[in-house]
Amino acid sequence: DTGVSQDPRHKITKRGQNVTFRCDPISEHNRLYWYRQTLGQGPEFLTYFQNEAQLEKSRLLSDRFSAERPKGSFSTLEIQRTEQGDSAMYLCASSPLDGTGDQANYGYTFGSGTRLTVV
Amino acid sequence: AQTVTQSQPEMSVQEAETVTLSCTYDTSESDYYLFWYKQPPSRQMILVIRQEAYKQQNATENRFSVNFQKAAKSFSLKISDSQLGDAAMYFCAYRSLGSTPLVFGKGTRLSVIA
Repeated sequence: DTGVSQDPRHKITKRGQNVTFRCDPISEHNRLYWYRQTLGQGPEFLTYFQNEAQLEKSRLLSDRFSAERPKGSFSTLEIQRTEQGDSAMYLCASSPLDGTGDQANYGYTFGSGTRLTVV
Repeated sequence: AQTVTQSQPEMSVQEAETVTLSCTYDTSESDYYLFWYKQPPSRQMILVIRQEAYKQQNATENRFSVNFQKAAKSFSLKISDSQLGDAAMYFCAYRSLGSTPLVFGKGTRLSVIA
């Protein structure tokens, strides 16, 4: 296992098109997170999964955004009808659960991100 | 909601010298976790160091150490013997117990001068 993988690394799309990104977390990690990072800003939380269940969604995640993790392994993030404001780096991260069922003791392992440019 | 503030958008340090990056946060909770992440140019973000709020002892990882001042809600990162490879964006992050998402600051860009 070589860490968290994201595909594609770069995506250029025309406004109004749909795009889908994929994230493969570390295999033994139960939790998977999606963040968005714009230039000069820190990552902003979008949503996260515990196994296949989507447990929380940020208000940043408009109805044009949808995320899935169908078998509790890889995840996809789809953006419909892209807008120029969607241009950003989309980061995926994963973390394990400790013996108590929490992961507070662990930081995240991040992927390299998918850079989206909407033209 | 918790917030994390990094007041230094950019910092620079001479190679082999020491630099301190500042971070403050706002919370009403008593137990939580704090992290520093490093994001090199065009590379993935990696965890540098973490601190549990219930521990008074400051965390240390090789050349990286923190100064955790709970009452002041301050969590600074000290990098000793700076190396060219330390050049990166550094993000301070907060996580409360029972709440999963990390909350990040806006970052500090560190340059290392040879």
